[in-house]
Amino acid sequence: DIQMTQSPSSLSASVGDRITITCRASQNIISYLNWYQQKPGKAPKLLIYVASSLQSGVPSRFSGSGSGTEFTLTISSLQPEDFATYYCQQTYSTPQFTFGPGTKVDIK
Amino acid sequence: QLQLQESGPGLVKPSETLSLTCAVSGGSINSTSSYWGWIRQPPGKGLEWIGGLSYSGTTYSNPSLKSRVSISVDTSQNQFSLKLSSLTAADTAVYYCGRHTTTIGWSVPIDYWGQGALVTVSS
Repeated sequence: DIQMTQSPSSLSASVGDRITITCRASQNIISYLNWYQQKPGKAPKLLIYVASSLQSGVPSRFSGSGSGTEFTLTISSLQPEDFATYYCQQTYSTPQFTFGPGTKVDIK
Repeated sequence: QLQLQESGPGLVKPSETLSLTCAVSGGSINSTSSYWGWIRQPPGKGLEWIGGLSYSGTTYSNPSLKSRVSISVDTSQNQFSLKLSSLTAADTAVYYCGRHTTTIGWSVPIDYWGQGALVTVSS
């Protein structure tokens, strides 16, 4: 099984800050990596797919990078609506599309 | 605009079987560009991928749940279903259905989600 980890598990930041979340896979997943944003009481929303492609309609302040076992999600200038929990997901290993444990971003 | 809607009981007893349905509108469940999946989230915890099925009808499930999971499709109703057996309190969660798309990249991301259905396992 491919295990996914995320760091940090939570972070406090201010509006306008640049933040980076790291996702690591226990083995090479090439770029079979997606990022989602989830707000309380809502379904997750797709932000990034194939590690670095921005989903249509997602602001350009979001970006993804990485390949192999280490990936990052960066928000270049944090906005009030970005305070949420972020999950990575690997889809390299069928049939188990594992999610990372999540990173909660809240207001400092 | 594709829409997915989960339906099913909100309360199920331990040891029983949960049955949930995801109705798909605004698109065909037979689409060759789609896989259909179930994901759950226990209260206050992270996301867990349960399983799914492809447009060809091939099913997949999380090995940790495999013996308890059954996923099927009803093309006449444009919906797919989840059955999870031998329930315990640990299965209490919000259950989401979602569409994995194959058109935007090989990582088949979930681009459409249902709103989620809370299922509580309790006697």
